[in-house]
Parts: sequence; structure tokens; C-alpha cells
Amino acid sequence: DTEVTQTPKHLVMGMTNKKSLKCEQHMGHRAMYWYKQKAKKPPELMFVYSYEKLSINESVPSRFSPECPNSSLLNLHLHALQPEDSALYLCASSQEQWGGTQYFGPGTRLTVL
Amino acid sequence: EDQVTQSPEALRLQEGESSSLNCSYTVSGLRGLFWYRQDPGKGPEFLFTLYSAGEEKEKERLKATLTKKESFLHITAPKPEDSATYLCAVNFGNEKLTFGTGTRLTIIP
Repeated sequence: DTEVTQTPKHLVMGMTNKKSLKCEQHMGHRAMYWYKQKAKKPPELMFVYSYEKLSINESVPSRFSPECPNSSLLNLHLHALQPEDSALYLCASSQEQWGGTQYFGPGTRLTVL
Repeated sequence: EDQVTQSPEALRLQEGESSSLNCSYTVSGLRGLFWYRQDPGKGPEFLFTLYSAGEEKEKERLKATLTKKESFLHITAPKPEDSATYLCAVNFGNEKLTFGTGTRLTIIP
């Protein structure tokens, strides 16, 4: 099974709200990723967690705060977002830290009003 | 800088008309090349991983090949349900994937 699940599927929030995106995998993968994807563009890497520790932060604004509570779960906490943050947020996981196949979840469609 | 380039940007084919999509990359310690299919509003669906020149993989109407500087995704006798954006991504030796901009494929019945 190569399934990565994400909740919620859709999220609408105001600029003053606080919300969280959740991602889960049960494949025993030790690397997990958050991506942001705008329409007709490829996914852009935001964060990488390796063995539950943040290993890459692609200079993402602090209004996005990742968290990895355990090896199966990945959260993305959102606060004071801007309308330009509206996008499809994708979670992915891979078994190997280096060069392994990344499996993506279905994404969360986020709209910031 | 490591780069991945996909061509064409968009491709329209008649049902049953075979063709190929191209993914070229800067030769810089490739650790893996990945093909994904993405439908609108959904996450990328994994298709193939290729690691070394000469490697080939097949799945239904799709066949992926790899040389030292490019990869091809061959689509044989496509059907309308093959319409999607096909993404190529390369790992150049770190935890990141470098994505191409994708090829939007439309199969006309």
C-alpha cells in the first residue's frame, strides 16, 4: 500500500484564522515533505522532515509552521495567511532519505479570503 | 544549477495516436528520475522510477526510458483517460526533487 492521506480536502480561511493541515502515512517511511502547488505550476518544496526532525526549510514564511508528532504524522499549522497563499498543499513521503521515490497525498485545496 | 526541462509544454493527440514526452536534465550526479501523472486538483500519482542509463519500465500503455541526459515517456495507443499533466522530477543527490514544468496531454476521442 502506497497511500498518503491528507485532511481536510478543502479549507477556506480568513487572514486572521488559525488552522492546521494533517498528513498521515503508514508505509514506515522516514522522510515526509510539504509542498505548495499553484495552478499550472509544478510542486514547490516547503519543508522536509527526516526521522521526525526538520531537515530542510525552503525559506518559508513563519506564518507556516510544520510539526512532525511521530513518524506517521505530519502537520502544517497556518496563521495569518495572505490571499496569495491560496494553493494546493501536498504532503509526500519516501522510504529513503536520499533519492527514494516520493509518494504524494491527494492534497488540501486552501483558499485564503 | 541543476535543471529539468520538459517538452512539449502541451500535446493534443487523437485517440490511438502514439507519441513521446521528453524530460532532459543537467548531468550532475543523477540519483533518480521520477515520472508522475497529475489530474487537475489532485496530488501527483507515481508512475515510474529510473536510476541508470538504459533502464526501461512499462505500465499498461506507458513506457519510460532513460539515457545519460534525458528520459522519454512513450504513450502507445492512448485513450481519453490518459489525459493529464505528466511531471518529470529528478533527484540530484539530496533530499529534494527538482521538477520540470510538466506536459499537459489531451487525448481527443
